[in-house]
Amino acid sequence: DSGVTQTPKHLITATGQRVTLRCSPRSGDLSVYWYQQSLDQGLQFLIQYYNGEERAKGNILERFSAQQFPDLHSELNLSSLELGDSALYFCASSAGQGRHYGYTFGSGTRLTVV
Amino acid sequence: LAKTTQPISMDSYEGQEVNITCSHNNIATNDYITWYQQFPSQGPRFIIQGYKTKVTNEVASLFIPADRKSSTLSLPRVSLSDTAVYYCLVGSRGGGSQGNLIFGKGTKLSVKP
Repeated sequence: DSGVTQTPKHLITATGQRVTLRCSPRSGDLSVYWYQQSLDQGLQFLIQYYNGEERAKGNILERFSAQQFPDLHSELNLSSLELGDSALYFCASSAGQGRHYGYTFGSGTRLTVV
Repeated sequence: LAKTTQPISMDSYEGQEVNITCSHNNIATNDYITWYQQFPSQGPRFIIQGYKTKVTNEVASLFIPADRKSSTLSLPRVSLSDTAVYYCLVGSRGGGSQGNLIFGKGTKLSVKP
């Protein structure tokens, strides 16, 4: 158990639908990162939040959005889903300013769009 | 962020030492080098991080030459369970709002019996 909790573990939905993925960061970590990993693809950085504020954006589609709540958990919203959105979605967290030794990843949410 | 280049794949046998080299020619002064391991359908796992010379932990060693334009992850006596993708990343070490992690394709290590 890495300390980063992602729910649900698996999600199957139809094209055009909207889903929400949830991430609870490791205790004490203020930053949350979202990544997408498609089959045979590398990890694509989507977005970062730090203490409730968006801090960096990667290759995130306009159909996708995210937020980080006051209790520091984060949600990734995916809408108007397409078959190509099927992927593993990972959340990672890191400590606040100061020392840290890397990013801790959750076990991911496997999204299947049919 | 500094771009990294590493081999796409490597093969090894159980019990051998494996060295995976990563090139990062435009590494910045305040950049650290971090390696992650990823098993299929799992999130990446932090292995080791270093700034210069040599770092060793219970899992691996990281060798960084003086010019810091490359680094080598060394896995001693690999086993079948070390079969995974290994990512080399370069970026600032600051926590919180600083930086984000851009992953390349990584090196797919296959350990054979």
